[in-house]
Amino acid sequence: ETGVTQTPRHLVMGMTNKKSLKCEQHLGHNAMYWYKQSAKKPLELMFVYNFKEQTENNSVPSRFSPECPNSSHLFLHLHTLQPEDSALYLCASSVQETQYFGPGTRLLVL
Amino acid sequence: GQQLNQSPQSMFIQEGEDVSMNCTSSSIFNTWLWYKQDPGEGPVLLIALYKAGELTSNGRLTAQFGITRKDSFLNISASIPSDVGIYFCAGLLNAGNNRKLIWGLGTSLAVNP
Repeated sequence: ETGVTQTPRHLVMGMTNKKSLKCEQHLGHNAMYWYKQSAKKPLELMFVYNFKEQTENNSVPSRFSPECPNSSHLFLHLHTLQPEDSALYLCASSVQETQYFGPGTRLLVL
Repeated sequence: GQQLNQSPQSMFIQEGEDVSMNCTSSSIFNTWLWYKQDPGEGPVLLIALYKAGELTSNGRLTAQFGITRKDSFLNISASIPSDVGIYFCAGLLNAGNNRKLIWGLGTSLAVNP
């Protein structure tokens, strides 16, 4: 248990669906992150939030929409995804450089 | 994008053997982090290194921050079956006002009981 929880753990969605991933951290950290993990690729940083403000967006397609209502919660809203978006989506939080990860949401887009 | 060169890509060892893996880069890093990821889970931090030359242990794990600040290694002594998983290195890169964590591709470890 790392203090970062993610729901759901598994998600199957069609390309026309809209769904949301949720992340919650109980560590009192100020920064939160969304990563995409695909096979045989390094972890891809998608978004960074510091004190609820988005500070980084690594050229992520607009079909992924993050939301950070407070420093403990982070959402990733998904709509009209493509099959190549199937991956493990990881949330992390940090204080300074050390990041602590949640268990991830395994997403399958059909 | 940038990435670290992590090797070996995979290892298959007998229980009780020692394991060594490393990460190298052409860039200088201020921090090295080693993570382990079990199947179906997120990466879990094992060891964090903050100074060049630093040698840090966590149980049977030992990691070192290279003197040149461009590499790091992780050793596991007397491996056990629960050491199975993927081990990732990550280096913190300072580029102007940007601080970025760069990830290796991982070393997949299998342990034969």
